Amino acid sequence: DTAVSQTPKYLVTQMGNDKSIKCEQNLGHDTMYWYKQDSKKFLKIMFSYNNKELIINETVPNRFSPKSPDKAHLNLHINSLELGDSAVYFCASSQDISSYEQYFGPGTRLTVT
Amino acid sequence: RKEVEQDPGPFNVPEGATVAFNCTYSNSASQSFFWYRQDCRKEPKLLMSVYSSGNEDGRFTAQLNRASQYISLLIRDSKLSDSATYLCVVNRGTDSWGKLQFGAGTQVVVTP
Repeated sequence: DTAVSQTPKYLVTQMGNDKSIKCEQNLGHDTMYWYKQDSKKFLKIMFSYNNKELIINETVPNRFSPKSPDKAHLNLHINSLELGDSAVYFCASSQDISSYEQYFGPGTRLTVT
Repeated sequence: RKEVEQDPGPFNVPEGATVAFNCTYSNSASQSFFWYRQDCRKEPKLLMSVYSSGNEDGRFTAQLNRASQYISLLIRDSKLSDSATYLCVVNRGTDSWGKLQFGAGTQVVVTP
């Protein structure tokens, strides 16, 4: 059973397009996250939701919009894709807001051409 | 200065040998420390938490030095399967719920 799953695994698209990445966790966790890992391998937090409420919103362009329809799902929509958006996007979850043990999904490798 | 700094490596280690590496962090308010492991083109996975008194999990030993603001990881009796990138992870402070700061990782390559 996959604990944290993401779709798609690979995404190749052209500049200016709009795309979405979906994430689901079946761990019963309250908190979910989106991270971006760039070519230099730094993992940076973008957003965090706790029980469907946004609690962390780092300095991310507003072209990125997360949506949490329920606490098991956290999707990421990206408008007007740019070359610099190319990266691996990881979804993660943790038991609750105070837990630092995070479980990551397999990642979505986004390439913008 | 980066919040979390690591030697990127690679550390080339013969099978069976011991390897150790450090990570420094800049935020003195950080309370929680972890090592995550990331295999090539895979997701990060928690390896172990790092406690003030130091802790051991099998062949892995983690230490924390608050005065000098660094943590370390030591791997004894290295196995080929230990080849990975080890990410040093630090929380951003007592009021930073869920905010983990990841280092860029130290690559370890265990050779036969």
